[in-house]
Amino acid sequence: AQKITQTQPGMFVQEKEAVTLDCTYDTSDQSYGLFWYKQPSSGEMIFLIYQGSYDEQNATEGRYSLNFQKARKSANLVISASQLGDSAMYFCAMREVLMDSSYKLIFGSGTRLLVRP
Amino acid sequence: NAGVTQTPKFRILKIGQSMTLQCAQDMNHNYMYWYRQDPGMGLKLIYYSVGAGITDKGEVPNGYNVSRSTTEDFPLRLELAAPSQTSVYFCASSYSFGGIQETQYFGPGTRLLVL
Repeated sequence: AQKITQTQPGMFVQEKEAVTLDCTYDTSDQSYGLFWYKQPSSGEMIFLIYQGSYDEQNATEGRYSLNFQKARKSANLVISASQLGDSAMYFCAMREVLMDSSYKLIFGSGTRLLVRP
Repeated sequence: NAGVTQTPKFRILKIGQSMTLQCAQDMNHNYMYWYRQDPGMGLKLIYYSVGAGITDKGEVPNGYNVSRSTTEDFPLRLELAAPSQTSVYFCASSYSFGGIQETQYFGPGTRLLVL
């Protein structure tokens, strides 16, 4: 069974500094996808970044980048130049293909990030 | 373009009552999903649909029903509400064609409290 592990329940970072949120995964599939979502205190789930298992380059989206290390089965999220608005819960998720070729997301337990002014 | 919308935002139910959580998307996505998020946890899949008229169970379907009569709408029905169904419910949608599966986009969530 596929599994996502986020070992950091909470983290602090100083404003304007970079921070890395850890995510490790377990799968026997050769083709898979990894996602990061942000959940602010308002509760909505906001898609941040996606990495496919066959993508040769690490994904980047603005201040977000994904440090993908396939051999270690890790997909850490790096946020550069942290802003106060980055304070939120962050979830790592993996795509699990269902029998009819649709997919569901398997979520980790999340990391709460607090940005200090 | 509203994306994925959910109503209501918050609801309190008594044990044994029933209700329908509404979800609609205007992105012409063929796939739609219902997840629940319990406190301090990630999301778990309740039901999903790959197109109008087609639905299937996820990880935690007991106590829920769904229907998909149109591409846009995917309501979730709770029959005989129980305290264990206290959770935040998220609807999501995505587009899939020819084996290419795009990102799931989420609605704002419905917070349900069963007392």
